[in-house]
Amino acid sequence: GDSVTQMEGPVTLSEEAFLTINCTYTATGYPSLFWYVQYPGEGLQLLLKATKADDKGSNKGFEATYRKETTSFHLEKGSVQVSDSAVYFCALSDLPPHGNNRLAFGKGNQVVVIP
Amino acid sequence: DTAVSQTPKYLVTQMGNDKSIKCEQNLGHDTMYWYKQDSKKFLKIMFSYNNKELIINETVPNRFSPKSPDKAHLNLHINSLELGDSAVYFCASSPPGLAGGPRDTQYFGPGTRLTVL
Repeated sequence: GDSVTQMEGPVTLSEEAFLTINCTYTATGYPSLFWYVQYPGEGLQLLLKATKADDKGSNKGFEATYRKETTSFHLEKGSVQVSDSAVYFCALSDLPPHGNNRLAFGKGNQVVVIP
Repeated sequence: DTAVSQTPKYLVTQMGNDKSIKCEQNLGHDTMYWYKQDSKKFLKIMFSYNNKELIINETVPNRFSPKSPDKAHLNLHINSLELGDSAVYFCASSPPGLAGGPRDTQYFGPGTRLTVL
């Protein structure tokens, strides 16, 4: 079935460093791709999304490009802040015939930004 | 405020008890979901309802029973609670996507942290 793979382990980096979180996916159709962020003690919030190949989603300085040829949707930010410390989830939404909106999540990456 | 809300935020109970978690959305969405997040932050869908009709029912013990009295509410009832049920449960909702088109964003509630002792 459809699935999402995120790089293993937490990510710890210094303020103003460059952040990359890798995400690859397996899907039979043409899924929509999402990055969700979960700040400590809160629910998930949509960070950005892309709905077709070569689309770039961007928000709050974060970017990710839907790459069909490499089945990837890597998240990047050029200069992180302490307030970016959170868990980041890559997700895809499949397209079954009956139009469900099931989200398949990656395992999430804890990002810790040190001042 | 327009949002997805859940009650209670924290729930501590003994093994064997029956408990319910309530979810309400005032976003006008027609699809609602329950997810379970384990201690390692892994998220897995449990159920989804569209217009009060069950459309996703993952491999979840039948001790878990969702109930949708209307499009704006999706409650989760859990019978005979077990230690392994301890987790954070998230409710979410989404508007309809276009048939064959891109799927839309899901909006999540703040979560209910269930602790079974």
